[in-house]
Amino acid sequence: DAGVIQSPRHEVTEMGQEVTLRCKPISGHDYLFWYRQTMMRGLELLIYFNNNVPIDDSGMPEDRFSAKMPNASFSTLKIQPSEPRDSAVYFCASSSTGVGANVLTFGAGSRLTVL
Amino acid sequence: EDQVTQSPEALRLQEGESSSLNCSYTVSGLRGLFWYRQDPGKGPEFLFTLYSAGEEKEKERLKATLTKKESFLHITAPKPEDSATYLCAVHGFGNEKLTFGTGTRLTIIP
Repeated sequence: DAGVIQSPRHEVTEMGQEVTLRCKPISGHDYLFWYRQTMMRGLELLIYFNNNVPIDDSGMPEDRFSAKMPNASFSTLKIQPSEPRDSAVYFCASSSTGVGANVLTFGAGSRLTVL
Repeated sequence: EDQVTQSPEALRLQEGESSSLNCSYTVSGLRGLFWYRQDPGKGPEFLFTLYSAGEEKEKERLKATLTKKESFLHITAPKPEDSATYLCAVHGFGNEKLTFGTGTRLTIIP
């Protein structure tokens, strides 16, 4: 398996623009997580899905952020409109039976810079 | 709310100089404590899971231990390739979240 695949790897955009980050989880994994990493706050969970259904989105910072998982092999994280404080590395991770039983496998991340 | 504090923030060691990284945690019922390694420009990579106080796990030059309040990652005779950021995370009862610390950036000098 190629692991968790994220795109784009790098995104530079201007304030106010829409940003869409994409993730393909490992085949057969039924949990998908979106994390954001910054120097100040470390890794923060934004939202997670189980069998394509959003379970907990309490970490989504505000209404500008939205996430979807239309099928088992694809998820998107959208920011509209983007702001400079959204600059961070966004990671997608998947696991097969939830965090407790199986470990998270992370993608390589999408580095977002909002000017 | 689950909390994880890692120390030190950064650590520089000479090759072969053993040391320990600390992870202090508060959690409403521990289901598991995880250690991950993160190299620059990459996602975190799983190292260990510990489930109960007294448990220890080893992998090459790394050994993780767990008490009711903290975990240690001991590194013995490290090599330059052990340089990375080491992340600790906890999983508490009632949800499927992993709560991460901000990590310890380890540098091994040849």
